[in-house]
Amino acid sequence: AQRVTQPEKLLSVFKGAPVELKCNYSYSGSPELFWYVQYSRQRLQLLLRHISRESIKGFTADLNKGETSFHLKKPFAQEEDSAMYYCALGGDDYKLSFGAGTTVTVRA
Amino acid sequence: DAGITQSPRHKVTETGTPVTLRCHQTENHRYMYWYRQDPGHGLRLIHYSYGVKDTDKGEVSDGYSVSRSKTEDFLLTLESATSSQTSVYFCAIRQTNSPLHFGNGTRLTVT
Repeated sequence: AQRVTQPEKLLSVFKGAPVELKCNYSYSGSPELFWYVQYSRQRLQLLLRHISRESIKGFTADLNKGETSFHLKKPFAQEEDSAMYYCALGGDDYKLSFGAGTTVTVRA
Repeated sequence: DAGITQSPRHKVTETGTPVTLRCHQTENHRYMYWYRQDPGHGLRLIHYSYGVKDTDKGEVSDGYSVSRSKTEDFLLTLESATSSQTSVYFCAIRQTNSPLHFGNGTRLTVT
């Protein structure tokens, strides 16, 4: 069985401060990890995919297979980063499992 | 953005009535998914399809059925709606080795 855990439901940071969203997963096979973002009442959008290893909107995430983690980081949060963030895990059967999500609020 | 259209966007229905939500794609993607989004639960997979007439259950499939008679359409049916099925429903599509792309969602209220 595959499982994604996002331990923080809410995260509040000041503008310009670093932000880190935690994601841990459980999966016996070779995982495929994603971060999705949902701005207020909009559709979910892909933010990052672990195999691409790129930075989007200043966010990065590194897959750590030893710790089974895929934490999302940004060194300097901006107000427009306020949103809901979901970590997702893909398995061999093309099902994607999502975590419960973390709501980020960036305060001025 | 991927061409995904969900209809209706909003629906209010009474307990015990049948409801069908439609997802239509113009991308010819193989995989299609229905998720429900609820506070504290994130997104939970209801059903998904890996081809025409090929579907499988997700983690919260009880009370839901699906059909995919054409590549472009994936229907989600609540045979007899209950208040616990009040939620926001998202359709998503995916091609092999590519990420999920989501529709705009359907807000369903069961009174």
